Amino acid sequence: DTGVSQDPRHKITKRGQNVTFRCDPISEHNRLYWYRQTLGQGPEFLTYFQNEAQLEKSRLLSDRFSAERPKGSFSTLEIQRTEQGDSAMYLCASTNMYREALLSTDTQYFGPGTRLTVL
Amino acid sequence: TQLLEQSPQFLSIQEGENLTVYCNSSSVFSSLQWYRQEPGEGPVLLVTVVTGGEVKKLKRLTFQFGDARKDSSLHITAAQPGDTGLYLCAGATSGTYKYIFGTGTRLKVLA
Repeated sequence: DTGVSQDPRHKITKRGQNVTFRCDPISEHNRLYWYRQTLGQGPEFLTYFQNEAQLEKSRLLSDRFSAERPKGSFSTLEIQRTEQGDSAMYLCASTNMYREALLSTDTQYFGPGTRLTVL
Repeated sequence: TQLLEQSPQFLSIQEGENLTVYCNSSSVFSSLQWYRQEPGEGPVLLVTVVTGGEVKKLKRLTFQFGDARKDSSLHITAAQPGDTGLYLCAGATSGTYKYIFGTGTRLKVLA
């Protein structure tokens, strides 16, 4: 399977702990997005990368959140000093902007998400 | 702040019935997408519409983009239990590379 993968799928942590999630996009996808989704709501944009450059961050991404994509391939999202309000599903999506432009489409391929529970 | 409101929030219908889900905004979008998401999975793209007034059909699903590109609808004919899921619309504005998601419509089709 060459889809977007995320690790771990589930994470339970205590308030105040740091957590890190990993996203492996589809090979040769140059754009990578992170979203947060709470129960019963649509995903909220957090940040996106084009290759290794982080081009935009939402105001939802407080200073406790940091994301990296060091080699333009996989990405990590770290949350420091977790709070109960951080409990959510964290989704990663990727796309190849050039291929999508050629096809006149704009498809993002989502991973299965990492469900974070902060106790 | 761009907001996409979906209605209804919840819908429970019998197999074979028709339904329509609406996605509305005060903002103009250059493109709008519809996704379906099942529990424990990421959203899966169903369709992208880019032209005002555009209608796209995907088997029993019909998608329409409003003339002013501020709203969209999803119509399902003869719903089946396999259509059960969370339906999300998402809009992108010109010059941006991110989609703003709607509030979602949770559909349950009973056999």
